[in-house]
Amino acid sequence: QVQLQESGPGLVKPSQTLSLTCTVSGVSISSDGYYWTWIRQSPGKGLEWIAYINYSGSAYYNPYLRSRLTISVDTSKNQFSLKLNSVTAADTAVYFCARYSSPRGTGWFDPWGQGTLVTVSS
Amino acid sequence: EIVMTQSPLSLSVTPGEPASISCRSSQSLLEYTGYTYLDWYLQKPGQPPQLLIYLVSNRASGVPDRFSGSGSGTDFTLKISRVEAEDVGIYYCMQALQTHHTFGQGTKLEIK
Repeated sequence: QVQLQESGPGLVKPSQTLSLTCTVSGVSISSDGYYWTWIRQSPGKGLEWIAYINYSGSAYYNPYLRSRLTISVDTSKNQFSLKLNSVTAADTAVYFCARYSSPRGTGWFDPWGQGTLVTVSS
Repeated sequence: EIVMTQSPLSLSVTPGEPASISCRSSQSLLEYTGYTYLDWYLQKPGQPPQLLIYLVSNRASGVPDRFSGSGSGTDFTLKISRVEAEDVGIYYCMQALQTHHTFGQGTKLEIK
C-alpha cells in the first residue's frame, strides 16, 4: 500500500523559507511513470497545484510560484522536498504531498498524504 | 491557465436521491491523442482529497458504481445515483491536460 507523509515546521515567520518533506512508503520513489507532487489548500484559494518532480529530477512548477520554489528528490531516503522562500501570510495553508500518474492516458493524483498545516506568522 | 468552474457550490440532498455536479473548463480538455484529461476528487471532512473519477468517466479503485462521470470538451458532470450519508464532503474537478493543473472551486454536498 502506497503511503505519503508530510513533515516540517507548522509555523514559519514572514519573509523566511518554508521547508517540507514528504516520505514515501510502499513504493520506490524511483519508479518510472510518476511525478511526486506538492499541492496546497487555503480557505481563500482552494486547492492549488504547486509543483512536481520525478525520480530523475525533472521538475515542473506553478508559474505563479516558480520564482520562490525549489523542489528536490532524495531517492536514497525515498523522500522529496519543497522549499518556498520569502513567505507571506498568503502562503498559510494545508500542504499535501501526492503521487501523480503521468504516462499518456493517465493523469491523476493518487494517493495523497494527510496534509500538514503551515501557518505564516511572526 | 485553464480555469475550472463548478456549479452548484453547495447542495443538500436527501439520502437515496440523486445528485449532480457540473464542471466547465475554459478550454477543451481533449488532447490530440483522444484522451480527455478531467478528474473528480472527493474530500471528506478532515481528510485529504481522494481520487473518484479519472479521464472523465473511469471510476477509481474501490469507488462505488453509484458514482458516474460524463462529458466532453469543456462540459463535464459528476452524478451520484443514490446519495448515501458517507458521500458528504467537497467534490472537486481538476484538469490534467496542462502541467499547470487547476481545480474547480469545489461543491459541498450535505445530507438533508
